[in-house]
Amino acid sequence: DIQMTQSPSSLSASVGDRVTITCRASQSISTYLNWYQQKPGKAPNFLIYAASSLQSGVPSRFSGTGSGTDFTLTISSLQPEDFATYYCQQSYSTPPTFGQGTRLEIK
Amino acid sequence: QLVESGGGLVQPGGSLRLSCAASGFNFSYYWMTWVRQVPGKGLEWVAKLNQDGSEKYYVDSVRGRFTISRDNAKNSLYLQMNSLRAEDTAVYYCARRITFGGAHPYWYFDLWGRGTLVTVSS
Repeated sequence: DIQMTQSPSSLSASVGDRVTITCRASQSISTYLNWYQQKPGKAPNFLIYAASSLQSGVPSRFSGTGSGTDFTLTISSLQPEDFATYYCQQSYSTPPTFGQGTRLEIK
Repeated sequence: QLVESGGGLVQPGGSLRLSCAASGFNFSYYWMTWVRQVPGKGLEWVAKLNQDGSEKYYVDSVRGRFTISRDNAKNSLYLQMNSLRAEDTAVYYCARRITFGGAHPYWYFDLWGRGTLVTVSS
């Protein structure tokens, strides 16, 4: 199975900050990488597919980059509703695997 | 939308059947999947099923104990869970899978239910 490792595990930031979350795959996955946001007590919300394509309706302050083994999710200017946990997920092979999550907290 | 049901408290070794009712889209067009999450922990994919139910895949930890199925006439997805263990305790989500591309397609989970909690404990 492909292992996905996110860093950092948690992050404190302020409204308006630019933040970057990193996701690393244990082997090359080309651009088969998705990102999800999850708020406490809620289901995950899909953000980005194919490493850099924004899902319809997702604010443009979210962006994704990367290919091979290294990927990033960037939020250009944090808004109050962005404080949540973020997960990367590879869709290169079965079983699909998720990173352990990055919890984004208000500083 | 997707709405899960059927969760609850069950003893180790017991069984439970989860259901996921789909509405607002053509259910029979999509691969469907189950993903679980131990409270306070990360996401783990459990199983997936193709449009007509002929292709099923499972994570190793549930293979042989869980069975994924669907009834397209009822717009419903199911997960039969047998021989349950304490480590199966989690919130179980059903999710719709979107697939696109050619020989090695891209896919992602774009629609999720709110989840149903399964607790395995004596």
